[in-house]
Amino acid sequence: GAVVSQHPSWVICKSGTSVKIECRSLDFQATTMFWYRQFPKQSLMLMATSNEGSKATYEQGVEKDKFLINHASLTLSTLTVTSAHPEDSSFYICSARRTSGLDTQYFGPGTRLTVL
Amino acid sequence: AQSVTQPDIHITVSEGASLELRCNYSYGATPYLFWYVQSPGQGLQLLLKYFSGDTLVQGIKGFEAEFKRSQSSFNLRKPSVHWSDAAEYFCAVADSWGKFQFGAGTQVVVTP
Repeated sequence: GAVVSQHPSWVICKSGTSVKIECRSLDFQATTMFWYRQFPKQSLMLMATSNEGSKATYEQGVEKDKFLINHASLTLSTLTVTSAHPEDSSFYICSARRTSGLDTQYFGPGTRLTVL
Repeated sequence: AQSVTQPDIHITVSEGASLELRCNYSYGATPYLFWYVQSPGQGLQLLLKYFSGDTLVQGIKGFEAEFKRSQSSFNLRKPSVHWSDAAEYFCAVADSWGKFQFGAGTQVVVTP
């Protein structure tokens, strides 16, 4: 089956630094990728939608200058948390959608970010 | 706007007993409905999905769900739970663009 990977799976950083999280579709091309965040014991909230070769679309309330998303190729999207603060600590999950078809969307395993 | 409600935050069930998790949705068009399971610190695993057709959907691990349009519900069931079914379960609705709206989740605890 289709696989989506995320790297790193777990990262700890100091407050004020930037952290990059990668989302890769390993065996298919993904024109659209989505980024979600999940606070402890809460549900997943959509942060943004990224389409290959174009700017990401952010959900209301998500700071686009803080959460930089780049979808430079059909198999890779990156989320950079800039000037991270403890409140950015969360579980970040991406999903990748094949070129067509809603039923062809796959979630990554998630990245646990802890900001000290 | 689409929304998903999972009324039960926490359910405790005995091993071998049946399980039903409730999910209600609000969506203007034909909904695309999903159930996912998440173990602690892990990503999401798709249990089953409904797009159209037969309203009773079979999934993995012995789970099934029934779509009831009149009740705007998509409840998940399993006849006999196993200890390994202890996890967080999320119901979700998606639009045609692939944007998911997740419910708050239901924590399932399985007792011996």
